[in-house]
Amino acid sequence: DSGVTQTPKHLITATGQRVTLRCSPRSGDLSVYWYQQSLDQGLQFLIQYYNGEERAKGNILERFSAQQFPDLHSELNLSSLELGDSALYFCASSVTDRYPGNTIYFGEGSWLTVV
Amino acid sequence: DAKTTQPNSMESNEEEPVHLPCNHSTISGTDYIHWYRQLPSQGPEYVIHGLTSNVNNRMASLAIAEDRKSSTLILHRATLRDAAVYYCIYYGGSQGNLIFGKGTKLSVKP
Repeated sequence: DSGVTQTPKHLITATGQRVTLRCSPRSGDLSVYWYQQSLDQGLQFLIQYYNGEERAKGNILERFSAQQFPDLHSELNLSSLELGDSALYFCASSVTDRYPGNTIYFGEGSWLTVV
Repeated sequence: DAKTTQPNSMESNEEEPVHLPCNHSTISGTDYIHWYRQLPSQGPEYVIHGLTSNVNNRMASLAIAEDRKSSTLILHRATLRDAAVYYCIYYGGSQGNLIFGKGTKLSVKP
């Protein structure tokens, strides 16, 4: 158990819908990351937050957005869903945001299936 | 993106040592080398990291070449539970996030 909690674990929704994935980081971790993993694209970095502020942005679509709240939990919002958005979405957390020796801990992921 | 080169797949027998290689020829002097692994249907899991000298922990050893352009993750006695995709990553202080490559899929035979 990494200490990173993601909900829901599984989600099935229809195209065009909107969903919200939730992440609670490890206790004491200030930085939160979101990754998407699909069969053909591997692990893709989406976005990173540190103490409520956006730190880095990766291959995140405009239909997707995220935020980190004052209690440090984070939400990833996916809207206008398409079949290709079906994937495993991972949240990860770490103590700091830039230290190069920083260890990042991953949750178990949220399986999203768009039908 | 930080680029690393790893074999697509490797096989090992149970209880034998496994050496997983990684090339990172564009690494800079302040970049740390990290290894993560992903077991089936699980999130990536931290294995080990290092900067210049070799590192050991309860899971594995990391051998870093003197010029730092390559490294090797060593599992001293592979178990069936070590079957996973192993990712070699490096990143420095300018970004905190990890950029994953394709990794090496390790199969362990009983």
